[in-house]
Amino acid sequence: AQSVTQPDIHITVSEGASLELRCNYSYGATPYLFWYVQSPGQGLQLLLKYFSGDTLVQGIKGFEAEFKRSQSSFNLRKPSVHWSDAAEYFCAVGRQTGANNLFFGTGTRLTVIP
Amino acid sequence: DGGITQSPKYLFRKEGQNVTLSCEQNLNHDAMYWYRQDPGQGLRLIYYSQIVNDFQKGDIAEGYSVSREKKESFPLTVTSAQKNPTAFYLCASTPSRDYYNEQFFGPGTRLTVL
Repeated sequence: AQSVTQPDIHITVSEGASLELRCNYSYGATPYLFWYVQSPGQGLQLLLKYFSGDTLVQGIKGFEAEFKRSQSSFNLRKPSVHWSDAAEYFCAVGRQTGANNLFFGTGTRLTVIP
Repeated sequence: DGGITQSPKYLFRKEGQNVTLSCEQNLNHDAMYWYRQDPGQGLRLIYYSQIVNDFQKGDIAEGYSVSREKKESFPLTVTSAQKNPTAFYLCASTPSRDYYNEQFFGPGTRLTVL
């Protein structure tokens, strides 16, 4: 069965510091992986996605993620965090049978301190 | 501007009452989805529809109902049978049923049962 694990519930970083949010997935075949961001009380916005090809994918707002099959991971990174990056981040894997919906992780809440 | 609208943003209902959440999209997308979001649990799929006049249950459909009479509309009814309806509800859509499509999300409706 497909599943997604985000081991960090809450992360706090200083503005300007680097960021890495962890995501591990469970899926038998090549997964379709996504990172979404959610500001408080809002919907989700897609940051980036991986389907195939280059394992390092670039997204919006300066984010990138690296797909590592051997580790079943798809960690999100940003070299320098801005205060506006404070939000909740969700990793998701595409369900490839039946519905085209996503399995979501439980999210990581990012706090940015000045 | 194309997008997904959900109304109302906040909704209050008394225990034992049914309530309908609206979801409208002008993206000409075929597939639409309803998710429920609870703190610390990520998003869980309630219902989905891949084509007009057709819909399927997701992972947590009990106590909910939907209809898809028009391509652009996918309302969700939370019935009195739903034991714990207080949550944040998100509607999403994709251009087609192909699993590699990203999902576009509406701003959400927060339902509170009094």
